[in-house]
Amino acid sequence: GDSVTQMEGPVTLSEEAFLTINCTYTATGYPSLFWYVQYPGEGLQLLLKATKADDKGSNKGFEATYRKETTSFHLEKGSVQVSDSAVYFCALRRIPEGNKLTFGGGTRVLVKP
Amino acid sequence: EAGVTQFPSHSVIEKGQTVTLRCDPISGHDNLYWYRRVMGKEIKFLLHFVKESKQDESGMPNNRFLAERTGGTYSTLKVQPAELEDSGVYFCASSLRSTGSTDTQYFGPGTRLTVL
Repeated sequence: GDSVTQMEGPVTLSEEAFLTINCTYTATGYPSLFWYVQYPGEGLQLLLKATKADDKGSNKGFEATYRKETTSFHLEKGSVQVSDSAVYFCALRRIPEGNKLTFGGGTRVLVKP
Repeated sequence: EAGVTQFPSHSVIEKGQTVTLRCDPISGHDNLYWYRRVMGKEIKFLLHFVKESKQDESGMPNNRFLAERTGGTYSTLKVQPAELEDSGVYFCASSLRSTGSTDTQYFGPGTRLTVL
């Protein structure tokens, strides 16, 4: 079945550092890919998405490119802020499987001033 | 516009008791989903409603879980009787459309369930 694997955390880094969170997936066909973020005390928010190969999703300085050849959707941000401290979830959706999202385990990111 | 709301935010119950979780989707969203995250693992899909009908309940773990969405508005998820392994965070999400690459699921803050 479908699965998503993302790097385990926690990831601790200093403000203005470069952030990469790796995400790879296993799925047949052409899934849509998503990054969700959960800030402390809040629900999951869609951060960005990509619906086909080579698409780049971007939002709030974060970027991720849908790489079909490596089945990856790594999340990057060039200069993190303390406010980026959160748990990040990679997810996929395949229409033949209905509208359900398949999530990775989540990566906790802590940015220190 | 109000987001997805869930009640309660936390629930602590004894093994064998019954708990009912409630989700109010965004107004006008026909699609409602339940997910849960157990023991810090992956968030896993439980089921999907389209209005009041269960479109997909393939993720429901067993018959101790009962989800309803009477009238196609809010939904409840009842766990009866609760077991220790049911502890986790239960998320609800809603979306306007059920298909199409532009559809987005909006999540609530979750209900943290602890079974002692």
